Amino acid sequence: KQEVTQIPAALSVPEGENLVLNCSFTDSAIYNLQWFRQDPGKGLTSLLLIQSSQREQTSGRLNASLDKSSGRSTLYIAASQPGDSATYLCAVEESGNTPLVFGKGTRLSVIA
Amino acid sequence: DTAVSQTPKYLVTQMGNDKSIKCEQNLGHDTMYWYKQDSKKFLKIMFSYNNKELIINETVPNRFSPKSPDKAHLNLHINSLELGDSAVYFCASSQGVSQAYTFGSGTRLTVV
Repeated sequence: KQEVTQIPAALSVPEGENLVLNCSFTDSAIYNLQWFRQDPGKGLTSLLLIQSSQREQTSGRLNASLDKSSGRSTLYIAASQPGDSATYLCAVEESGNTPLVFGKGTRLSVIA
Repeated sequence: DTAVSQTPKYLVTQMGNDKSIKCEQNLGHDTMYWYKQDSKKFLKIMFSYNNKELIINETVPNRFSPKSPDKAHLNLHINSLELGDSAVYFCASSQGVSQAYTFGSGTRLTVV
């Protein structure tokens, strides 16, 4: 059964720092991996989707990489800002018509 | 204008009651989901529907019954509510395999 793990569970950094969030999954046979952001009391916002054939995706200051064979993904946030404070969730889609399996998230605080 | 909308946003009810949560998406997506986020913020799939047909039914008590009158709607009815049902319930939709998910803002259910 697929399990998704995110490390660290929480992270606090000063504004302006570059940072990396980690995600690992136990079964490398995935269709895609998605990164989401969740603000307190809110829903999830999709940040990046990496197909299984891709190595990375970029959006603004965010860059997500995927190493399927080792079961790992990283989310790189450049020049962090207080507005980046949120919980970041990683999720994998294992095959067609199977729903996303989520990690427990990394709670990020960016201190001004 | 909201892509995936859930109602109500908050629901406080007594044990033993029956309640429903409604979800509608205006994205034209074929697949809709219900996820449960527990007190530890862990998101778990409950149900998945594709074109009004049930695809996934995880280990959920049969007190929970989803209903999809059309592919734009997926409602969740819960009978005989228990304290342990207290959680945030998220509705989501996607166009299909390897497509990004869009989440609703969640329904916070509190059973007292």
